[in-house]
Amino acid sequence: QQQVRQSPQSLTVWEGETAILNCSYEDSTFDYFPWYWQFPRESPALLIAIRPVSNKKEDGRFTIFFNKREKKLSLHITDSQPGDSATYFCAAISGSWQLIFGSGTQLTVMP
Amino acid sequence: AQTIHQWPVAEIKAVGSPLSLGCTIKGKSSPNLYWYWQATGGTLQQLFYSITVGQVESVVQLNLSASRPKDDQFILSTEKLLLSHSGFYLCAWSQGYEQYFGPGTRLTVL
Repeated sequence: QQQVRQSPQSLTVWEGETAILNCSYEDSTFDYFPWYWQFPRESPALLIAIRPVSNKKEDGRFTIFFNKREKKLSLHITDSQPGDSATYFCAAISGSWQLIFGSGTQLTVMP
Repeated sequence: AQTIHQWPVAEIKAVGSPLSLGCTIKGKSSPNLYWYWQATGGTLQQLFYSITVGQVESVVQLNLSASRPKDDQFILSTEKLLLSHSGFYLCAWSQGYEQYFGPGTRLTVL
């Protein structure tokens, strides 16, 4: 049962453009949504996260938009840089420990 | 500052052989600890979690077991490896919602 879905599977943008990565979920009891990024041959690193009490979370060029009614969220990366090229995972917490990951979006930023 | 160390960095093992992977976290008292598995090019699957010494809960059954012998140590093991065990094994810790991953162990089963 896939509880967290991501799209697109892969995304290519030019340097300076805004990349938009999408995520949706099924379980309305999820109450914390982190995004992780993972570079090749490295472990995932926490990038940014949001709680459902907010509909937006911003950290520099990275912004999460959250729609609780539709059970959707998106990660916007403005002014994309080649160094942002990585796989991005949307995840959701069920309870206080069970972190469920989506399938990931592979982002490539072309110089 | 918290540091998380995993060992070994990489392993190449034969099918049917035993396995033991380790994780140590320093600089954090009584963290929640987790084991994850990631197939090449795949997503992350939580395997085990532990909230205290001696207490481990299984999330999925993959013919693996885990133990927490000390507050800062988490061990993943099996007596008999399968080809399907190949992948990237990650230890993580949390206090609160945020989970932070260690550098991982790459396992190749031949």
